[in-house]
Amino acid sequence: GAGVSQTPSNKVTEKGKYVELRCDPISGHTALYWYRQSLGQGPEFLIYFQGTGAADDSGLPNDRFFAVRPEGSVSTLKIQRTERGDSAVYLCASSVSGTSGNEQFFGPGTRLTVL
Amino acid sequence: GQNIDQPTEMTATEGAIVQINCTYQTSGFNGLFWYQQHAGEAPTFLSYNVLDGLEEKGRFSSFLSRSKGYSYLLLKELQMKDSASYLCAVRSGGSYIPTFGRGTSLIVHP
Repeated sequence: GAGVSQTPSNKVTEKGKYVELRCDPISGHTALYWYRQSLGQGPEFLIYFQGTGAADDSGLPNDRFFAVRPEGSVSTLKIQRTERGDSAVYLCASSVSGTSGNEQFFGPGTRLTVL
Repeated sequence: GQNIDQPTEMTATEGAIVQINCTYQTSGFNGLFWYQQHAGEAPTFLSYNVLDGLEEKGRFSSFLSRSKGYSYLLLKELQMKDSASYLCAVRSGGSYIPTFGRGTSLIVHP
């Protein structure tokens, strides 16, 4: 598969639980982005990786959210002590690099529901 | 910060032309993107403008005026499959991260 993949496609959890969302970017793409999207809204930036490092994490709403990309490829978004307000579609995107006009290729998203 | 404004919803007739506007307020403009998003699916890239003028790509064209903080996406020969949300995203300053607007939901009817 040549596109960005995300697992799981759907995740239902209870308030207070911990969840991990996985993103497999397009092979060779050094830039990786996490967004979350609520119904009727555009994607809201969370964090951007260039290689293994988080180049910009200014969009993470609080310290319950954390993301890693240890080998510069797959990334995991981790949410601790989930709250109902965390319910959204979490989108991952990758691009060849983070600079210039490189388009972002989005994955299908993970729909997170916190009960 | 950035302020991006798009109409919430538009309707148009199959075969017609529709123009979706996007206005933005930002400092250090560094590029504007248009994405298409069908319901329940991921956004897909349509166009990128960084200089003033019109970029044409098949049935879709995108225009940018940096001095006016204004862009539009023009869709010609509308098809039913064009019913989707159209997202305007702006990059500014030293950031490589585009900020997305709320999107315009386009409904194409027969």
